[in-house]
Amino acid sequence: EVQLVQSGAEVKKPGESLKISCEGYGPFFTSNWIAWVRQMPGKGLEWMGIIYAGDSDTRYSPSFQGRVTISVDQSIRTAYLQWSSLKASDTAIYYCARQETSITGTTPYFDHWGQGTLVTVSS
Amino acid sequence: QSVLTQPPSVSAAPGQKVTISCSGSSSNIGNNDVSWYQHLPGTAPKLLIYDNKKRPSGIPDRFSGSKSGTSATLGITGLQTGDEADYYCGTRDTILRTGVFGPGTKVTVL
Repeated sequence: EVQLVQSGAEVKKPGESLKISCEGYGPFFTSNWIAWVRQMPGKGLEWMGIIYAGDSDTRYSPSFQGRVTISVDQSIRTAYLQWSSLKASDTAIYYCARQETSITGTTPYFDHWGQGTLVTVSS
Repeated sequence: QSVLTQPPSVSAAPGQKVTISCSGSSSNIGNNDVSWYQHLPGTAPKLLIYDNKKRPSGIPDRFSGSKSGTSATLGITGLQTGDEADYYCGTRDTILRTGVFGPGTKVTVL
């Protein structure tokens, strides 16, 4: 069974750094893309970026380029999302999700999601 | 500000049907497939529909999807109280070169 298990909730101060994780369980990982999705309080889902676990090829949404870093450690089947200097506006729930593409389709979708990590940034 | 448009909310009585629209453009829905997700507060989003109209195993056939031109639609029949959630469409945008989600639609069972 495929599972994505994320690290626990974090409370940080503005300016602090943070790295949250997403560990993959089951018969997959290095052949998949793993995405990060943000949900700010009371808002919808936002596509942040994606990484190919096999070779760390990474793509970012222009809205998040330069603000976050996505990485992966194949050896422990874990993807990461990190900030070097948090802002209050980074307060949100962050989800990781496995991207898939069907045999007959051309557009990827997210078939498995992590449980979410709540990040609270407050002075 | 999403490049996709969804109604903020829809509602219907138990047992009835609702449809949720997702409108875009030629750079996203017009030339890509659409997926739909159900999101209950405090839980992980769940894939309901992929490739415009396909359902993953375990998703009941009360949920259906369709696409025409630059718009897609999610239908939910036999509405149940457990269907109260936010629903998001998703696709790829070839100009932005990213995945995109719609702003979400809240389904309320009256």
